[in-house]
Amino acid sequence: KAGVTQTPRYLIKTRGQQVTLSCSPISGHRSVSWYQQTPGQGLQFLFEYFSETQRNKGNFPGRFSGRQFSNSRSEMNVSTLELGDSALYLCASSFQPGSVSGTQYFGPGTRLLVL
Amino acid sequence: DAKTTQPNSMESNEEEPVHLPCNHSTISGTDYIHWYRQLPSQGPEYVIHGLTSNVNNRMASLAIAEDRKSSTLILHRATLRDAAVYYCILGSQGNLIFGKGTKLSVKP
Repeated sequence: KAGVTQTPRYLIKTRGQQVTLSCSPISGHRSVSWYQQTPGQGLQFLFEYFSETQRNKGNFPGRFSGRQFSNSRSEMNVSTLELGDSALYLCASSFQPGSVSGTQYFGPGTRLLVL
Repeated sequence: DAKTTQPNSMESNEEEPVHLPCNHSTISGTDYIHWYRQLPSQGPEYVIHGLTSNVNNRMASLAIAEDRKSSTLILHRATLRDAAVYYCILGSQGNLIFGKGTKLSVKP
């Protein structure tokens, strides 16, 4: 099986712009979670989608949004970019909704640099 | 906030066992204990998880204290490829809360 894929792998944007990141989960997985990783804050949960519905949301401002399509692919969008949004954005997929008892498979991430 | 406490770093010699400790004194009855690791420039990789009983898989073993307030990830024979940041995580309310993890160094 192909693993979780994320595009693009690297991205440079300027403050005030918006960005859309894409994640394709493992075939058959219907749950997709997004995380932000920075040196200062570590790995932080953004949100989770299952069957096109957002199930959980972390403590991030409304500038961060996401969606999931009928084929389980997911996108996350960050509007009005700030310097502090520079981070590695990781996507993880799992078969079951939620990650309480199941295994999540992470993609390689998209590294976003905001100038 | 992360609900687990791990040492910042540990060192091991190649081909020796490694015991990575984790404290989670506020664990609730429904929290699973997950371990993930992150190699440099990669996304986290699932290692093992458990609820109450000790667990074994091809990568590692997970020993869970009887009161579930602590656990230990055991790598039976460390290799250079095991050098990574290891995260002990409680799965709660549908998402994983990552702490800072333990950076494991493996010496040849």
